[in-house]
Parts: sequence; C-alpha cells; structure tokens
Amino acid sequence: QSALTQPRSVSGSPGQSVTISCTGTSSDVGGYSYVSWYQQYPGKAPKLMIYDVNKRPSGVPDRFSGSKSGNTASLTISGLQAEDEADYYCCSYAGSSFVFGGGTKVTVL
Amino acid sequence: EVQLVQSGAEVKKPGESLKISCKGSGYTFTNFWIGWVRQMPGKGLEWMGIMSPSDSETRYSPSFQGQVSISADKSISTAYLQWSSLKASDSAIYYCVRGDHGDYWGQGTLVTVSS
Repeated sequence: QSALTQPRSVSGSPGQSVTISCTGTSSDVGGYSYVSWYQQYPGKAPKLMIYDVNKRPSGVPDRFSGSKSGNTASLTISGLQAEDEADYYCCSYAGSSFVFGGGTKVTVL
Repeated sequence: EVQLVQSGAEVKKPGESLKISCKGSGYTFTNFWIGWVRQMPGKGLEWMGIMSPSDSETRYSPSFQGQVSISADKSISTAYLQWSSLKASDSAIYYCVRGDHGDYWGQGTLVTVSS
C-alpha cells in the first residue's frame, strides 16, 4: 500500500486559484468515493476541509472544493488568501484501511 | 462540543512499553470509529489503524500491523494506542481522529524514544 502522490508544493498570489492533485490507483482513489482533504498549520493538528470527494464540513469556506477523475482527486482553493498558506494532505479509503498522500505545501506569494 | 483529548507527552527508552490515550466527549463514543495517525518529525501523515468502539472491530494499515495495538474502553469513552517494545523510529506525534472522515482530531501526543 503506497502513499498517494501529491506535488511537494504549489504557490499562487492572493485572489488566484490553485489546484492540488492526489494520484492513487484503482485500489484506493479510483475505487471509492471516499477521498478527504486536510489542512495543517505548523505545530497544529490537521483540520478536515473536504470529505467524500467534494463535501465541505460546516464552517469550511466555499473557496475550497474537491473533485475526482479516475485515479486522481483534486483540491482547488479559489480566491487564495494569506491564511490558506499551510500543508494539505489527501486521504483515501483503500478497502479496509486508509492511505494518505505525502502532503503539499501551499505558499501564498 | 465534540472533543478528543489525548494524554501528555512521553519520553521512553528503546524496548520499553507504552500506552497512550484519547478520551472522547461531546458525542456518543460508540457511534464513531476512532483512528490513529502518525506524524514523524518534519514528515507527513501516516494512517495507522482504526477501531470501532462499539464492537472492537479493528483494522490496521499493513505498515503498522503487528507493530502497535489499538484498543478502547467504551465505559470511559477512551481509545488507546499501545506498543510492547518501542524503537527509536517510533518517535513521532500521534493523533487520534474521529470516524472515517476524520472530522475531529485530538491535539496530538509527542512520543520520544531515546536511550
């Protein structure tokens, strides 16, 4: 069971949109509609941002959206804000267990 | 208010045993699975395993199967992560997380294993 593949880093200016990809296989991302995304600030616990591919928990800004195509899931942050600078991790169900991506650092220029 | 409160930081020697805890409150403990996630220093998140407090069904990541043990005492709404013989490579922050969506996280427990 290998970690899902995410880009190490993405960046954008305030107001722009950035998209983080999360590539797995048909045994995880492609096989289930159970992809979650987490935001983590340094020294803090992760926070759920998206679950079940594209659902937002209460309180998460609608600037955050999720999608999936085949074995690749994506998190898009629209209207990037300074407070969005953090690490982001995807996580997928993999049939009796879960697997995380390696994480992506989002930098707001 | 839903809360997961974890036990405090631990400093142990290689070969020692350890059991850390995660107490849930503000919700019906047996209605949600509890998972554990490892984060080694400066590294990403790793999913370790998950347990149903209602019937003790437990599933482990292949990477952690046989290396740790997950349990729970539903009478006190507390989940546990246990090692029988720690290694230096077990040094990390360990998070408990509610449910398969991970909608609530504990504050993390720092485990340091050093001789």
